[in-house]
Amino acid sequence: TQLLEQSPQFLSIQEGENLTVYCNSSSVFSSLQWYRQEPGEGPVLLVTVVTGGEVKKLKRLTFQFGDARKDSSLHITAAQPGDTGLYLCASDNQGGKLIFGQGTELSVKP
Amino acid sequence: EPEVTQTPSHQVTQMGQEVILRCVPISNHLYFYWYRQILGQKVEFLVSFYNNEISEKSEIFDDQFSVERPDGSNFTLKIRSTKLEDSAMYFCASRAGGYTDTQYFGPGTRLTVL
Repeated sequence: TQLLEQSPQFLSIQEGENLTVYCNSSSVFSSLQWYRQEPGEGPVLLVTVVTGGEVKKLKRLTFQFGDARKDSSLHITAAQPGDTGLYLCASDNQGGKLIFGQGTELSVKP
Repeated sequence: EPEVTQTPSHQVTQMGQEVILRCVPISNHLYFYWYRQILGQKVEFLVSFYNNEISEKSEIFDDQFSVERPDGSNFTLKIRSTKLEDSAMYFCASRAGGYTDTQYFGPGTRLTVL
C-alpha cells in the first residue's frame, strides 16, 4: 500500500509570509491531489496533478509535481488568515480509492 | 452547485447499538465511497461501491459494516454493533465516472460511541 508522508505536520506563520508544504511517497503516484479541509467539514479538492514536472497555479497557491512523480509541493505566497486549515495530499490508485497523507495543519495569524 | 449531503451531522450512540449513516451523492454520479477520520488521524478509505455492489473495501470494513443503495438517491453505511473505536468522522464521497474525475466529499457525520 502506498504511503504518503506530509511535512511539516504543523505550521504557524504570520500573515504575509510564504510557506511550502511537501508530500512524498516511496512509490510513483498515478495522480496526486491536494485538498483543504476546515474543521467539521469534508475535504475540498484544490487541484489534481498528473504529469511529472507539472506546475499549476490557483491564485496565491502554486502546486508542483516532481519529475519522477514521487513528490509534490504546495507553495502559498503572502499567506492570509483565510488560508488557515488542514491541507491534505491524496493519491488515487486508479481504482478510485484515495490514499491520504496525514495532513499539514496551517495557522496564519493576523 | 450540486453537492454531497450527509445526515445526521452528529450521531451519539451506546456501544453495541446499530447506526445507519446516510448520504445523498450527486445525482448523476456512479461511484460512491465511505471514508473515516478518527480525531487527529488521517482520512482512511473504508469502501467503494459501483453498479450496486462493493468494488473495493479496506481491512477496517469488517463484517460489522455494510453499505447499501436502497433507492436511486441514498447511499448508506450501517455499523451493526458499534464499538468505542468506531468514534470518528465519516465522510461520503461520490465521483461521476472516469478515474480522473474528482471525488466530491460530503460534510461528514460525527459518530460518537459511548
